[in-house]
Amino acid sequence: EAQVTQNPRYLITVTGKKLTVTCSQNMNHEYMSWYRQDPGLGLRQIYYSMNVEVTDKGDVPEGYKVSRKEKRNFPLILESPSPNQTSLYFCASTRGQGSTEAFFGQGTRLTVV
Amino acid sequence: AQSVTQLGSHVSVSEGALVLLRCNYSSSVPPYLFWYVQYPNQGLQLLLKYTSAATLVKGINGFEAEFKKSETSFHLTKPSAHMSDAAEYFCAVSVGYGGSQGNLIFGKGTKLSVKP
Repeated sequence: EAQVTQNPRYLITVTGKKLTVTCSQNMNHEYMSWYRQDPGLGLRQIYYSMNVEVTDKGDVPEGYKVSRKEKRNFPLILESPSPNQTSLYFCASTRGQGSTEAFFGQGTRLTVV
Repeated sequence: AQSVTQLGSHVSVSEGALVLLRCNYSSSVPPYLFWYVQYPNQGLQLLLKYTSAATLVKGINGFEAEFKKSETSFHLTKPSAHMSDAAEYFCAVSVGYGGSQGNLIFGKGTKLSVKP
């Protein structure tokens, strides 16, 4: 089954404690993205990657890091989480052509206290 | 750069009434346009997409949208609302070439409520 898998689904952590949210897709898609969803703000792109070792900032990259060492994986790293990073995070992948739709993971609800 | 504006953060309709969710886009190159739906506590699911073929696009669950270049709009409609349509709806735009090819930009979303 074609899917995008995020882990964990829920995470509560403390300020400053490094964490990684994993994302994996099994569709051989070139393009992967991370979004955060906040009430009233919709989905805002954090980082995206057009292929292995190619990443670029989205609209809200501050406080986040990503890497794309393999085509299927695109982890999101918070080196020093802060409460304003409390949000719902989604990973998505596409074939990399503008006409194809994105496939989304189920989301990771992160709370930073 | 591309952008999307969804008019109305909340829309409420009665069951059986017409659903109209508005989306306007901005793009310097021909766009691809999408509507996604998010049910409570779930991820995003594609409803329909416009990829420069037919301007009237039919999607799942009885939804459709019409691409109007002159109005830079891609409004989502459904003739008769069901209770199960209550969800949040997102309009999104991407382009097929250039540096931002495949980069999906979302609107802020419209929450649809359906009253019995």
